[in-house]
Amino acid sequence: AQKVTQAQTEISVVEKEDVTLDCVYETRDTTYYLFWYKQPPSGELVFLIRRNSFDEQNEISGRYSWNFQKSTSSFNFTITASQVVDSAVYFCALSDPQGAQKLVFGQGTRLTINP
Amino acid sequence: IAGITQAPTSQILAAGRRMTLRCTQDMRHNAMYWYRQDLGLGLRLIHYSNTAGTTGKGEVPDGYSVSRANTDDFPLTLASAVPSQTSVYFCASSAAVTSGRAFTDTQYFGPGTRLTVL
Repeated sequence: AQKVTQAQTEISVVEKEDVTLDCVYETRDTTYYLFWYKQPPSGELVFLIRRNSFDEQNEISGRYSWNFQKSTSSFNFTITASQVVDSAVYFCALSDPQGAQKLVFGQGTRLTINP
Repeated sequence: IAGITQAPTSQILAAGRRMTLRCTQDMRHNAMYWYRQDLGLGLRLIHYSNTAGTTGKGEVPDGYSVSRANTDDFPLTLASAVPSQTSVYFCASSAAVTSGRAFTDTQYFGPGTRLTVL
């Protein structure tokens, strides 16, 4: 069965520190997709990135970067030089092969950036 | 502004009452979804619809029903609400333009409905 584990329930850092959010997944499929979403205090869910299993290149978008390692079934998310506006709950998700368009979410990591 | 709208924003409901949460998208997306978010459990899929006229059960479908009469609307009904259905409910949609089993399109979420069942 599909499973996503975000072992870090809460992380608190001081502004300008770098922080990495861990995501470990389980799947028996050879083709799958991984996602990260951000949920700020306002409550909406904001899409950050989608990565397919054939593309193991790391991705960088401004201060955000993602490290996809199939060998360890991980898709970690790093925020460089964190800012208070980065404070949110972050969710990692995995595509479910039993229903081509369904997602399985991790429990989420609450990130607090302190000024 | 294109996107997904949900109504109501929040609702307090007596146990045993019937309630329909509304979801409308204007992106002409094929697929739509309902999730519930509970503390410590992340988001769990309730029901989904890959295209108008079809629906499927997710991880936690009991006590909920859905319909997909057209592309834009995907209402979620609680026939007889119970306190364990207190949660934040999110509707989502994705283009899902391919029928390929291995492809998963990005899901975009509505603002959510906070439901309290007393």
